[in-house]
This record gives sequence, C-alpha cells and structure tokens, in this order.
Amino acid sequence: QKEVEQDPGPLSVPEGAIVSLNCTYSNSAFQYFMWYRQYSRKGPELLMYTYSSGNKEDGRFTAQVDKSSKYISLFIRDSQPSDSATYLCAMCSGGSNYKLTFGKGTLLTVNP
Amino acid sequence: NAGVTQTPKFQVLKTGQSMTLQCAQDMNHNSMYWYRQDPGMGLRLIYYSASEGTTDKGEVPNGYNVSRLNKREFSLRLESAAPSQTSVYFCASAKEGLAGFNEQFFGPGTRLTVL
Repeated sequence: QKEVEQDPGPLSVPEGAIVSLNCTYSNSAFQYFMWYRQYSRKGPELLMYTYSSGNKEDGRFTAQVDKSSKYISLFIRDSQPSDSATYLCAMCSGGSNYKLTFGKGTLLTVNP
Repeated sequence: NAGVTQTPKFQVLKTGQSMTLQCAQDMNHNSMYWYRQDPGMGLRLIYYSASEGTTDKGEVPNGYNVSRLNKREFSLRLESAAPSQTSVYFCASAKEGLAGFNEQFFGPGTRLTVL
C-alpha cells in the first residue's frame, strides 16, 4: 500500500461548482497536511496547510483533516476557470523531518 | 527575488550521455531537494540536502548524483542517461518555518528527454 493515495482524475466541473479533492494515507506519524497547486508546465506552489486534525479556511478554499480516518480533503467553492490545475496533497511528520510525501495529484478542469 | 531557478528548461540527450541540471535559490534556505515527476507517478524525491555540506538519498536515487556546491546551489548529475530517466525534474528549497514544517518552494522544472 502506498503511503499516500490520491485519485488522479481527471475531474471536470462547470464554473461555480463545489469541488472536493481527497487523499488517504497510511502513516500515523503524519502531522502536517498540505495542498499544492500546479499549473500546466509550472512548478507546484503551496496552497494551504493544516496541522493535525480540523478545518482551515482561506477564501474559497477549505482544507479538512480527519486523522482518525486518515483522510484529508480540499474543498473549492464557487470554482473558477483559473482554478484549473493539478492539485497535489503532501504530508510530513514535521519537526526535523525534511521530507514531504506527495500524492500523485488530481487534474481539475473548471469549464466556463 | 528570483526564488528557485533551474537550468536548462529543456534538454534532449542520447542514451549514455551525461549532463548536469543546475538549481539555485536566493531565499537563504538551508534545505534543497531534487524531484522527478512522471505521468501517473506524482513527485518522487531523488536526493535532498538538509544543509550545506550534507546530502541524502530519497526514494529514487539510482542513476543520479548530487552536489551541494554552497548554500545557494544544488546540482543533479546524470552520468549515463537512460530512456527511463525521461521526466520533468523539479528542484525545491525549503525554509524552516514557525509552522513546524518546512514549506517547499519549487523551481519551474527541466524537461528532459533521453532517446
């Protein structure tokens, strides 16, 4: 079993839709959970991060972590064509751990 | 601030040729990373350097070598390129943040094709 599983999609939605992106993981030591956004032919950039369980909101984006289920989600409200990108989840145990473990990424297209 | 820069942007090699991918960061970060990204495989860590003077293997180090030349620069070398090394290569650097984890900043990538 891979440490981090992410459905690669592709996912295609109409503008204004609510998008749900998800990852599952197996390593109980993970404490920090991140979502990176990667536009076509660009490097990934950090979108949001969450520590341990709970929710975090930033504008139209909400990140959720359920450590009991080892499940994390990213919700995008009122999705826009500019949200079209690949979304990668990433996680680490924090502290002196320098390495992130990434999901494979989900390709999202928001159609006008 | 240029952030993380990578050269070259594109490269085509023949099997058995060697080349070095260059990476530099101007954010005074201690740790730097090399990843490869392949369709359906996500980002996989090749090597990383937690600080100047140290390097460690990641998930897929075979066929690669690295040099942390100084705090700014971290190069990746392919001694004898193979078609299996056709990929997009990303360099990243990370700051030790107050949040408790190292936020990684990525370069624009190098697209490498090995024929």
